[in-house]
Amino acid sequence: DQQVKQNSPSLSVQEGRISILNCDYTNSMFDYFLWYKKYPAEGPTFLISISSIKDKNEDGRFTVFLNKSAKHLSLHIVPSQPGDSAVYFCAASANAGGTSYGKLTFGQGTILTVHP
Amino acid sequence: DGGITQSPKYLFRKEGQNVTLSCEQNLNHDAMYWYRQDPGQGLRLIYYSQIVNDFQKGDIAEGYSVSREKKESFPLTVTSAQKNPTAFYLCASTNRGSTEAFFGQGTRLTVV
Repeated sequence: DQQVKQNSPSLSVQEGRISILNCDYTNSMFDYFLWYKKYPAEGPTFLISISSIKDKNEDGRFTVFLNKSAKHLSLHIVPSQPGDSAVYFCAASANAGGTSYGKLTFGQGTILTVHP
Repeated sequence: DGGITQSPKYLFRKEGQNVTLSCEQNLNHDAMYWYRQDPGQGLRLIYYSQIVNDFQKGDIAEGYSVSREKKESFPLTVTSAQKNPTAFYLCASTNRGSTEAFFGQGTRLTVV
């Protein structure tokens, strides 16, 4: 049972344009969501997160939107740069800050390619 | 610099042999985790530990074992009971009350 889904295996975008990566979840107990970026043969690095009490969080070129009623979140990258090319993972946690802190459920990942 | 160190980066083992993957952190984090990544799939949780001398099974613990004798170390043993051990293994840690996990660089295990 895939509780966190990233239905687009890949996304190709022109440099300077917006990249939108999507993520859906099924577990209504998830209350904290994170995006990680990963290069091949390396560990993921944290990008941005959002708590379920918010619907938007922004950090520089990265913005995450959360729609709780639809159980959907998205990551917007504006403007996209060639260095953004990587695999992006959506992750979710239940009872954030409590006993389950750091125990993450990941989506399958989306490969983003930004063309110069 | 603080961080998580996994060693080795690449590991080859013969089928039927146990193998231990190392994970050390100097971030003074309380909790540590082992995830496995397979092609086209997200990371799946194998084991996690929130304090020394205590650990819990994750979603795919069968065929694996761990220990947490020191706060900074969380080694993972892939036993011969693991049916498909070839994968990319990632160790992570978090501080108390935090959900943001810091990851090591990973170990690619290939069983031949």
